[in-house]
Amino acid sequence: EAQVTQNPRYLITVTGKKLTVTCSQNMNHEYMSWYRQDPGLGLRQIYYSMNVEVTDKGDVPEGYKVSRKEKRNFPLILESPSPNQTSLYFCASSPTARTGSNYGYTFGSGTRLTVV
Amino acid sequence: GQNIDQPTEMTATEGAIVQINCTYQTSGFNGLFWYQQHAGEAPTFLSYNVLDGLEEKGRFSSFLSRSKGYSYLLLKELQMKDSASYLCAVRGRGSTLGRLYFGRGTQLTVWP
Repeated sequence: EAQVTQNPRYLITVTGKKLTVTCSQNMNHEYMSWYRQDPGLGLRQIYYSMNVEVTDKGDVPEGYKVSRKEKRNFPLILESPSPNQTSLYFCASSPTARTGSNYGYTFGSGTRLTVV
Repeated sequence: GQNIDQPTEMTATEGAIVQINCTYQTSGFNGLFWYQQHAGEAPTFLSYNVLDGLEEKGRFSSFLSRSKGYSYLLLKELQMKDSASYLCAVRGRGSTLGRLYFGRGTQLTVWP
């Protein structure tokens, strides 16, 4: 089944303890991206990757890191989580983001992170 | 950056038609998407417009006017399961290629 898989689904952690949220897609998509969703603010892009070894910042990259060493995986790393990073996180992928492509984005099921 | 506006909430009754509007101001435009999101779930793709005009897909249609920076999603024959948040998103172009900008979503409630 074609899908984007995020893990974990739920995570409660303490301030300052490094964590990684994994994202994997089995559709050979070039493009992957991370978003956070907060009440009243909608979905905001954190980082995106146009292809392997190519990553760039979105609207809210502070406090986050990403890497794209292989096509299928795009982990989100929080080196020193803080309470303001408590949010619902989504990973998404698409065959490409090139001009004119009409491919939609497939989203993972989400990771609800709480930092105390 | 991009500015994307859509109403916060709408209500309608089962069987009716509802139109959800989205206006955008962009520095580069490479298509507009509509997504549906049920509470606590992932957004799911509904439609894509890059050229002016209407795209119809079953009960859902989406319209785009690039000169006006305007789109709408039309939902016909509303069902209870259509109660959800509807997200308008604009994809960037050129220096913003790879960026996907979302509105804050329109929460639609369908009453019996």
